[in-house]
Amino acid sequence: AQKITQTQPGMFVQEKEAVTLDCTYDTSDQSYGLFWYKQPSSGEMIFLIYQGSYDEQNATEGRYSLNFQKARKSANLVISASQLGDSAMYFCAMREDTGGFKTIFGAGTRLFVKA
Amino acid sequence: GAVVSQHPSRVICKSGTSVKIECRSLDFQATTMFWYRQFPKQSLMLMATSNEGSKATYEQGVEKDKFLINHASLTLSTLTVTSAHPEDSSFYICSARSPTGNRNNEQFFGPGTRLTVL
Repeated sequence: AQKITQTQPGMFVQEKEAVTLDCTYDTSDQSYGLFWYKQPSSGEMIFLIYQGSYDEQNATEGRYSLNFQKARKSANLVISASQLGDSAMYFCAMREDTGGFKTIFGAGTRLFVKA
Repeated sequence: GAVVSQHPSRVICKSGTSVKIECRSLDFQATTMFWYRQFPKQSLMLMATSNEGSKATYEQGVEKDKFLINHASLTLSTLTVTSAHPEDSSFYICSARSPTGNRNNEQFFGPGTRLTVL
C-alpha cells in the first residue's frame, strides 16, 4: 500500500532563512507523482510544486524546490528566504498513476515563520 | 490555472438532516472528481473517487450509504451526507482532474465546505 510520511509535526524558521520540510514515501509503482501543498488557516489547498517519478532534475518553483532522492524515496521541500506569509500547514502528497490517479496525503507539517 | 468551486462554503445543520455539497469545475471538464474530509489539525483523507457517469469508488471504511456521491456531468459532482450526526462535522474538500492538457495529472482543489452538525 502507498504511504506518505511527514515526521515533523511543527517547524520554526527565522524570517529570511531557508527551511527543509521532510517527506518520505512508499510505493511499488514505477510511475507516480509527488506534490507539495500549502494550506493556510482559510483551508484552501495551494499547489506549490510537483515532481514526477521519471523527472531526473529536481523541481523548482520560485522560492520552492523539491529535493528528490528516488533511491531513498524522499521528496523534501526546501523553502528559501522564508516570509511571514509562509506560516501555514504543508502537506506532501503522492499520486498513483495506475488505477484512478488517486492522491494520498501525509500528516502535514505546520511551519511557523518568526520575525 | 483551473478553477474548482464548492457550495456551500459553510453549513450548519441539525442532527438527522441530510446535507448536499456541490463541487463544480468552472473552466474545464472533469472526468474524475475526488472527495476528501479533513478533521481539525489532521490531514486530508480520501473518501471516494467519482467518475462521470459511473458509480463512485469508496475508500475502505467509508460508508457509501451515508456519503452519497453523484457525478452526473463533466462539471458537477455532489456529496450528500445523509442523516448527519455530530461526528460527521468536518471540512470536506473536493478536487477535480482533467485528462487533457494536464501535464502533471494534477488535481485542482475546491475551497472546501465546513460542515457543523448540531
